[in-house]
Amino acid sequence: GNSVTQMEGPVTLSEEAFLTINCTYTATGYPSLFWYVQYPGEGLQLLLKATKADDKGSNKGFEATYRKETTSFHLEKGSVQVSDSAVYFCALIFSGGYQKVTFGTGTKLQVIP
Amino acid sequence: DAGITQSPRYKITETGRQVTLMCHQTWSHSYMFWYRQDLGHGLRLIYYSAAADITDKGEVPDGYVVSRSKTENFPLTLESATRSQTSVYFCASSEDIIYEQYFGPGTRLTVT
Repeated sequence: GNSVTQMEGPVTLSEEAFLTINCTYTATGYPSLFWYVQYPGEGLQLLLKATKADDKGSNKGFEATYRKETTSFHLEKGSVQVSDSAVYFCALIFSGGYQKVTFGTGTKLQVIP
Repeated sequence: DAGITQSPRYKITETGRQVTLMCHQTWSHSYMFWYRQDLGHGLRLIYYSAAADITDKGEVPDGYVVSRSKTENFPLTLESATRSQTSVYFCASSEDIIYEQYFGPGTRLTVT
């Protein structure tokens, strides 16, 4: 079946540090890929997405590139802020056939001043 | 107010009791979903619905029942609550299965 693997957290960074959160997937075919963010006490909200190979999703300074050859969708940000402290979820979904979304287990990011 | 709402936000119940979690969305989205969030497991899909009167099981459906008589509502019922069902429950909706999902604020359920 489909699966998404994220790096273990928590990730602790100082403000203005560079962020990478790794995400790799196992799937038959070519899914759409998403990053969701969950701030404390809230539901998830979409951060960015990519629907085909080599697409780059970007939002709020975050970026992720759909790498088919390495089945990866790593999340990056050049300079994190305290307000970026949250849990980040990688997810995949197919447009046809097995139409259920698969989420990773989430990576908690803590940014300290 | 437009959006997706869940009620109650917090619930404490006893083992064996029936409890229903409510979810309401105002966008007329076709798809609705129920997830549970547990430490170490991330989000797991319980049930989803593609339209009114169409529901299907997700990854962890045992012990849960859903219905969808109206497009905007998707209640989740625990028929006989167990301690293992202590969790945070999220409802979500989307216009299409491949599109962005919009999540509610969650219901924290404790079964004693």
